[in-house]
Amino acid sequence: GAGVSQSPRYKVTKRGQDVALRCDPISGHVSLYWYRQALGQGPEFLTYFNYEAQQDKSGLPNDRFSAERPEGSISTLTIQRTEQRDSAMYRCASSLDQRAANTGELFFGEGSRLTVL
Amino acid sequence: ELKVEQNPLFLSMQEGKNYTIYCNYSTTSDRLYWYRQDPGKSLESLFVLLSNGAVKQEGRLMASLDTKARLSTLHITAAVHDLSATYFCAVGSNDYKLSFGAGTTVTVRA
Repeated sequence: GAGVSQSPRYKVTKRGQDVALRCDPISGHVSLYWYRQALGQGPEFLTYFNYEAQQDKSGLPNDRFSAERPEGSISTLTIQRTEQRDSAMYRCASSLDQRAANTGELFFGEGSRLTVL
Repeated sequence: ELKVEQNPLFLSMQEGKNYTIYCNYSTTSDRLYWYRQDPGKSLESLFVLLSNGAVKQEGRLMASLDTKARLSTLHITAAVHDLSATYFCAVGSNDYKLSFGAGTTVTVRA
């Protein structure tokens, strides 16, 4: 596709349910990042993939959060047993490679807004 | 932990006047980015500053970086309505991680 595509754009769920958020990066992009943005705040780093390898998951808040990118393309961020504090915009970004990202060629998707009731 | 502070957080601009947004960060970095976000939209890259003293300009926006002071500024010249948006600065803290400021919400009034 032309840009980073995320789905669903909006997700409302009840506390305790599991949710899966999908990211389809720009074709050919090796590096993929997940960020979380609370209302009125800047994005916060969650995790980073290089191809299918998860290089850093230090930003995942706790073990209810996990992410995968099994074939080095589409990535899924899964939140188990959701809590109200998980409500936020979840943004995915991709870049051709890490060098490209460092020089500003980092492209963000429009995000998935999660609301936990 | 790298901390990034932007100020002001809210900025009401009058058309035609000049304004500056400040971005301070807590630890050494040589990568500073400015993004624009329109409501409901993605983050759009505005500037990448990769060295001390770097200055970039695009239209009415100009960004600069002072790595010794750990300070970047985004200067807006002769504000116009279509500059209304939220502006974020972000600092590169390692090879791939960005730390963002809280954003500055800009409203331009006639």
